Amino acid sequence: AQSVTQLGSHVSVSEGALVLLRCNYSSSVPPYLFWYVQYPNQGLQLLLKYTSAATLVKGINGFEAEFKKSETSFHLTKPSAHMSDAAEYFCAVSEGQAGTALIFGKGTTLSVSS
Amino acid sequence: GAVVSQHPSRVICKSGTSVKIECRSLDFQATTMFWYRQFPKQSLMLMATSNEGSKATYEQGVEKDKFLINHASLTLSTLTVTSAHPEDSSFYICSAPRTSGNEQFFGPGTRLTVL
Repeated sequence: AQSVTQLGSHVSVSEGALVLLRCNYSSSVPPYLFWYVQYPNQGLQLLLKYTSAATLVKGINGFEAEFKKSETSFHLTKPSAHMSDAAEYFCAVSEGQAGTALIFGKGTTLSVSS
Repeated sequence: GAVVSQHPSRVICKSGTSVKIECRSLDFQATTMFWYRQFPKQSLMLMATSNEGSKATYEQGVEKDKFLINHASLTLSTLTVTSAHPEDSSFYICSAPRTSGNEQFFGPGTRLTVL
């Protein structure tokens, strides 16, 4: 069975600092991996996705993530945090079949202070 | 790009009443749609898979008689919360996958509050 573990339910950084949100996955088949962002009372917005192409994936808003099979990780990073990055971030995995539901991690709340 | 809409965005109802939530794919057809539930400060939990032309598939622990799903067309799935109770208050989000790229498009969510 697939699963996703997000280490750290809450991450706080200063504006301009590096953002690192951790995600580890478990999958019996090559996974498709996703990062989504959710602002209060809103739906999910896709930040980026890994679909077995390049292991370093660049997304929107300056975020990127690196797929490391040996570590079963897909950590999300951004070199310099902005106040507008404060939100809830979810890592998700699917089995790579079109039309398969996503399994989400518990989410990480990112706070950015000035 | 692909867009998924939900209606209503927010609903408040009395305990014991039924509430219908619609999920529409606006510019693509979706033979499958997914319904998720999100409690405050928690993650999204898959409730069920809505299949056009056949019965929905429910996840373990989800009452199919309480959460009725109908996939009426290739662009519309509805979730009806029957005899709602305060514990059903939650954020309900649907998604529809596009077969190319294995990407899912999420609706904006429906906030249900049962008094």
